[in-house]
This record gives sequence, structure tokens and C-alpha cells, in this order.
Amino acid sequence: DIEMTQSPSSLSASVGDRVTITCRASQAISNYLAWYQQKPGKVFKLLIYAASTLQSGVPSRFSGSESGTDFTLTISSLQPEDVATYYCQNYNSVPLTFGGGTKVEIK
Amino acid sequence: EVHLLESGGGLVQPGGSLRLSCAASGFTFSSYAMSWVRQAPGKGLEWVSGISGGGGSTAYADAVKGRFTISRDNSKNTLDLQMNTLRADDTAVYYCAKAQTYINTWSDYWAQGTLVNVSS
Repeated sequence: DIEMTQSPSSLSASVGDRVTITCRASQAISNYLAWYQQKPGKVFKLLIYAASTLQSGVPSRFSGSESGTDFTLTISSLQPEDVATYYCQNYNSVPLTFGGGTKVEIK
Repeated sequence: EVHLLESGGGLVQPGGSLRLSCAASGFTFSSYAMSWVRQAPGKGLEWVSGISGGGGSTAYADAVKGRFTISRDNSKNTLDLQMNTLRADDTAVYYCAKAQTYINTWSDYWAQGTLVNVSS
């Protein structure tokens, strides 16, 4: 199975800060990576798929990038409504695997 | 608008069985693969199972293989997960999610989740 190592597990940043979350795959997965947001009490929301394609309706402050087996989710200017836990997902092959999650809070 | 509504969660004893259902609306159900994903209390996400749009292809996580069965009824737009021989470590919130054409694709819509508690 492909292991997804996500870091950091939590972060605290100020409104307006640039925030970066990283996922590293244990082997090559091409660009078969998605990012999801989970707000407390809310359904999971797809943010990005194919490593860098923004899902329709997602604010443009969210972006994704890849470099080999390293994938990054960036929030260019953190907003209060971005408080959530973020997960990466590898969908290169079954079993699909997720990163451990990153909890984002406002400082 | 896409809606996914789960039912069937609850408390079950170890070794028991439970059937989860997910009712879908707002899209052409038979054209899309579907997945079940779970989240144990205080833990991250674990993909459980997936099924192709036509139902002819299924896949399972090793942890549930041989105990869980995924199925779908495209005439009723429903997705099911039959869970047998349940163990304490199956305790989790279970989510159904809509995928794309194939099982190994991203999920663009998720249900609210239903809690399965395996305990004596």
C-alpha cells in the first residue's frame, strides 16, 4: 500500500498568513492526489484533485502543487473560515490512502 | 444538487452484523463509482471499499476484505455496505462518497456520516 505522510499535524497561523501543508507519497503516484477540507460538524469538501486542479467553487486562495512524490496545499491568505482539518488522498490505485491530516487554527 | 444520505449506523456487539445504506440524488447514479470511507474516533481517514458505476467491479481494504460487502442498486440510487463479523476496531463514522468514473478517483461529494459503534 502507498503510505501518505502529511505534515505538519497541526499549525496555528494569523489571518492573512500564507499556509503550506505537505504530503509525501511512499512511491510515485503521478498526479493522482486530492485534498479535502473537514470543518467541525460539516461534510468533507473536495478542494483540489489531480494535484493542482481547483474544484469548482473553491476560493482561489487555495492551490496545489507537486514535485515528484511531494505534494503541497497552499492557502495564500488564511481566512477565519479556513479553520479546519485538511487531508490529502492518493488515488493512484486501490487501496486509496489518506494522509494523517493537518489541523489548521487561527493564532 | 448532489445529496448523499446515509442510514443504518448504530450499536452492535462484536461478531455482529450491520448494513449501511446511502441514498443518492442529484446526479446520474449509475455513471459514477462510489466509495465508503471511515474515520475512527480521534483518528484519520481510512478508505474501506469502492464499487464501479455498473457494480461489476469492487475493491476492499485488507482490513475488511472477506467481512464487508459493497453493493449498489442503480434502479433505486442506493449504495450499501454489509458489514459482518464486526470487531471493536471497526468502530468509526462511516461516510459514503461519490467518486468519478473509476473506483480509484477522487470523491467530489460526501455524506454526513453515520456512526458504527461495535461494543459489548
